[in-house]
Amino acid sequence: EDKVVQSPLSLVVHEGDTVTLNCSYEVTNFRSLLWYKQEKKAPTFLFMLTSSGIEKKSGRLSSILDKKELFSILNITATQTGDSAIYLCAVARNAGNNRKLIWGLGTSLAVNP
Amino acid sequence: EPEVTQTPSHQVTQMGQEVILRCVPISNHLYFYWYRQILGQKVEFLVSFYNNEISEKSEIFDDQFSVERPDGSNFTLKIRSTKLEDSAMYFCASRDYRDREEQFFGPGTRLTVL
Repeated sequence: EDKVVQSPLSLVVHEGDTVTLNCSYEVTNFRSLLWYKQEKKAPTFLFMLTSSGIEKKSGRLSSILDKKELFSILNITATQTGDSAIYLCAVARNAGNNRKLIWGLGTSLAVNP
Repeated sequence: EPEVTQTPSHQVTQMGQEVILRCVPISNHLYFYWYRQILGQKVEFLVSFYNNEISEKSEIFDDQFSVERPDGSNFTLKIRSTKLEDSAMYFCASRDYRDREEQFFGPGTRLTVL
């Protein structure tokens, strides 16, 4: 059965800290791994990773994929209170046109001032 | 910036009633999805839709569920006879073309079945 596991489930840090969120997966016909940020409602897209070892970066956020060990990490440096959210990892399978996403449970990040 | 919209934002219904959740995907997108998220649980795939037909559905998506794209802009999810366990946040998502992975999500409809 396909699965995506995120850790930790919950994290509380102070502003300015650096955090690393983990996502491991066991998914047949892997195509890509996506990170989303979920605040009050809809998940918003952060990164898509398809190749091992290539870091994607956007401001203070960065992410990398290891397809051999089947995991990805999401780093947030110099955290701010606005980074407080649930960070979701999802894997897209290579299944024709479909590309349904298989989701992890998420990591709930709280950044305290 | 184009975005996916969903209506209503919150719907409360009695068990056994039919509900229709509406979504307007981003206009040039070709692939459409419904997901749901029960409070405190994972986002779960329900169904994907492409070229006016269902391309995949999960085991959650039983005969009580149906999807339609009635007019080229709306994408609807119908639940024929709601159960208590259908209470969840329902997200619509769309994706533009075959080789782009990112799915863009609407704000969700919170369905409460009493």
